[in-house]
Amino acid sequence: QKEVEQNSGPLSVPEGAIASLNCTYSDRGSQSFFWYRQYSGKSPELIMFIYSNGDKEDGRFTAQLNKASQYVSLLIRDSQPSDSATYLCAVTGGSYIPTFGRGTSLIVHP
Amino acid sequence: DVKVTQSSRYLVKRTGEKVFLECVQDMDHENMFWYRQDPGLGLRLIYFSYDVKMKEKGDIPEGYSVSREKKERFSLILESASTNQTSMYLCASSSGADQPQHFGDGTRLSIL
Repeated sequence: QKEVEQNSGPLSVPEGAIASLNCTYSDRGSQSFFWYRQYSGKSPELIMFIYSNGDKEDGRFTAQLNKASQYVSLLIRDSQPSDSATYLCAVTGGSYIPTFGRGTSLIVHP
Repeated sequence: DVKVTQSSRYLVKRTGEKVFLECVQDMDHENMFWYRQDPGLGLRLIYFSYDVKMKEKGDIPEGYSVSREKKERFSLILESASTNQTSMYLCASSSGADQPQHFGDGTRLSIL
């Protein structure tokens, strides 16, 4: 059974701080890694994806992948109250079906 | 931009009714998925399809069926609705294995 683990939170950070969200996965054959943001009552929307070890930056967001340790993280710099949401990590290993974590709730307080 | 459209945002049905949830995508994606999402349980895959007329069971297919007669449309059918099928239903599509999924807005279904 492929598993993706995330701390459910909530993770609470002050406005302007760096929020660090972590995800571990069990399948060593995993190849693609995705972060989705989901606001309450809304559907998930893709924020970032990463395929290779290392860092990938997009604006205030940085995804970090370490395949040897089987974890992927998402850093949000200069966190804003509008970043308050649940962040879902998803992992695929070459099949059509991603495995989703249950998500981490992030609260950015003014 | 990929557009995945679900036919209803909110739906209320009675137990025992046959319920149809429709999903259409406009990007010629091969793969389409149906999930349900419940508090504390995360996203659970009901069915997916990797081609027209092809379907595979996900983790929780019991009480559901699907239809994919055209590439752009994937329908979820609740054969005889029950109260434990009250949930948020999410449709998604992707262009291939290891590609990101694009979600519709979701249908919040209540079975009374």
